[in-house]
Amino acid sequence: NAGVTQTPKFQVLKTGQSMTLQCAQDMNHEYMSWYRQDPGMGLRLIHYSVGAGITDQGEVPNGYNVSRSTTEDFPLRLLSAAPSQTSVYFCASTQRAGLTEAFFGQGTRLTVV
Amino acid sequence: TQLLEQSPQFLSIQEGENLTVYCNSSSVFSSLQWYRQEPGEGPVLLVTVVTGGEVKKLKRLTFQFGDARKDSSLHITAAQPGDTGLYLCAGSEAAGNKLTFGGGTRVLVKP
Repeated sequence: NAGVTQTPKFQVLKTGQSMTLQCAQDMNHEYMSWYRQDPGMGLRLIHYSVGAGITDQGEVPNGYNVSRSTTEDFPLRLLSAAPSQTSVYFCASTQRAGLTEAFFGQGTRLTVV
Repeated sequence: TQLLEQSPQFLSIQEGENLTVYCNSSSVFSSLQWYRQEPGEGPVLLVTVVTGGEVKKLKRLTFQFGDARKDSSLHITAAQPGDTGLYLCAGSEAAGNKLTFGGGTRVLVKP
């Protein structure tokens, strides 16, 4: 059972470069989300999606874009990386929004130099 | 904006001791979850509480949801080194809404 798969696990970018963090889930979950986790802090919500074709902003959306063309995939795009985006990024999926368990990927550690 | 505050931020105890972690907010939550995260991994769900005053037990872990559904606590009895990790609370303000996380409590249990 793959669950939630994130790629890559590690990435170093130069300031101004763009990249896409991939996230895929095989549980047919409706709800997917992206979080960032900085040292000593919890998880902050970047963007989320309640279903294919529907996305919305979380608490720290600036500098990030998302799309949800299929139920399975929810990529996160950094258009012009900045050092402030150095963080560990987690993708999560839940069967639906609200009470159900969130399943997380193993994270992507991104460093912007 | 919902805000979940966890305390303490860091806790170091000896094996066999008890500990309590707190999660507080000024907002009312329809449900609250506790997750544990180990280094290099994503968080894993421990429990979900949905009813004010609810108490749930998971082996040596006891979770309580406040009567007003604004706060929760996690109590570990006779902590073991395997309990070491980052404990995160997360809440949904209303069913179908986004999941907001607290800042986490890092627990270290020394053998």
